[in-house]
Amino acid sequence: DAMVIQNPRYQVTQFGKPVTLSCSQTLNHNVMYWYQQKSSQAPKLLFHYYDKDFNNEADTPDNFQSRRPNTSFCFLDIRSPGLGDAAMYLCATSRDLGGATEAFFGQGTRLTVV
Amino acid sequence: AQSVTQLDSQVPVFEEAPVELRCNYSSSVSVYLFWYVQYPNQGLQLLLKYLSGSTLVESINGFEAEFNKSQTSFHLRKPSVHISDTAEYFCAVNSNTGKLIFGQGTTLQVKP
Repeated sequence: DAMVIQNPRYQVTQFGKPVTLSCSQTLNHNVMYWYQQKSSQAPKLLFHYYDKDFNNEADTPDNFQSRRPNTSFCFLDIRSPGLGDAAMYLCATSRDLGGATEAFFGQGTRLTVV
Repeated sequence: AQSVTQLDSQVPVFEEAPVELRCNYSSSVSVYLFWYVQYPNQGLQLLLKYLSGSTLVESINGFEAEFNKSQTSFHLRKPSVHISDTAEYFCAVNSNTGKLIFGQGTTLQVKP
């Protein structure tokens, strides 16, 4: 009964080759987030969707894009991965944007760039 | 702006010993406070949260945290740890933006 599912769990991509990470949810939540977590660091918010409204963090590189074709799915596209983009990518959902609302995380996709 | 500081990057402790993982935050507005746990190569799981009311909050697996407004702290404690508690623990704050701001994390290493 997984609620936030990320595929694949492990992804190896070549330097400069576009890659897409996938996230789906069964919670019917309005908000979906993408976080980047580098080794031994805190998760860092890249962007989020509230329904179809996309909100980019100010310091998210242009190399990172996202799509949310429907409520259940959200994708993270890295147009030209560099070695510095190797990280764990975490998808999360929440019912709304209120501060008290719990966020539910997927198991993450570990991206390796070779 | 909000920020979170976890004062210890690693905490080694023997099994059945008590443990405290420290977390301090700064914010100019009221915040909600969370502790998340992350096992190796896994996502984050909510351990416990403070929203309002009683300043002492508990989780189902024996952890507790106390919100101290004057100290701007939200330290996590457990009176007796198990090997299975070995993990990374993240303290996080959220105002009303819906954006979680995480601390750097504390690795709890429970030794037999």
